Amino acid sequence: QLQLQESGPGLVKPSETLSLTCTVSGGSISSSSYYWGWIRQPPGKGLEWIGSIYYSGSTYYNPSLKSRVTISVDTSKNQFSLKLSSVTAADTAVYYCARQRGGIFGVVIRYYFDYWGQGTLVTVSS
Amino acid sequence: SYVLTQPPSVSVAPGQTARITCGGNNIGSKSVHWYQQKPGQAPVLVVYDDSDRPSGIPERFSGSNSGNTATLTISRVEAGDEADYYCQVWDSSSDHPGVFGGGTKLTVL
Repeated sequence: QLQLQESGPGLVKPSETLSLTCTVSGGSISSSSYYWGWIRQPPGKGLEWIGSIYYSGSTYYNPSLKSRVTISVDTSKNQFSLKLSSVTAADTAVYYCARQRGGIFGVVIRYYFDYWGQGTLVTVSS
Repeated sequence: SYVLTQPPSVSVAPGQTARITCGGNNIGSKSVHWYQQKPGQAPVLVVYDDSDRPSGIPERFSGSNSGNTATLTISRVEAGDEADYYCQVWDSSSDHPGVFGGGTKLTVL
């Protein structure tokens, strides 16, 4: 059974960089069938896609966060990571990592998230 | 960027049918996916590709998608179905491909 687990500091100071790692077990992050994504959820609010990465390192990001986000992958450790710079209180959220599957079928793109980590709350505060 | 619109809340009595809508411009041309999220838990995929169910999801959960509206239908609603539900699409035509709806709180009366 595939499992994903987020790890990283639960408290980050304003203007600093938020760093999280997602460890994948029960499957290989190097599978050609999947992307790997980060999604966040501010307290009491909805889900927001942050960005996704392929095992080769190819990435795409939410434009509203793109200038501050870096997602990377370490296939040797079966992990992928998120860095979000210059954080403010608005970045306080539960951060989830997830497996993204699907693909392009004709003119329809069918990507969705079928396995999720349990999520980790990151609070931005001094 | 592409916008998905969901009603903030839907209420239904046990045993009845709940329908949660997800509106978007020509959403019928896209593939829609649905997630269930209970308090304090991670989202769970309940419907993908408009109407397919992952293994382990009851047949009571079904989906449809046409025109400008996609719908998640939950038949014979149970107390355990009370949760937030989110729709999601991938929009290649915008610079913001990963899009979630704002979520709908399903209350079982």
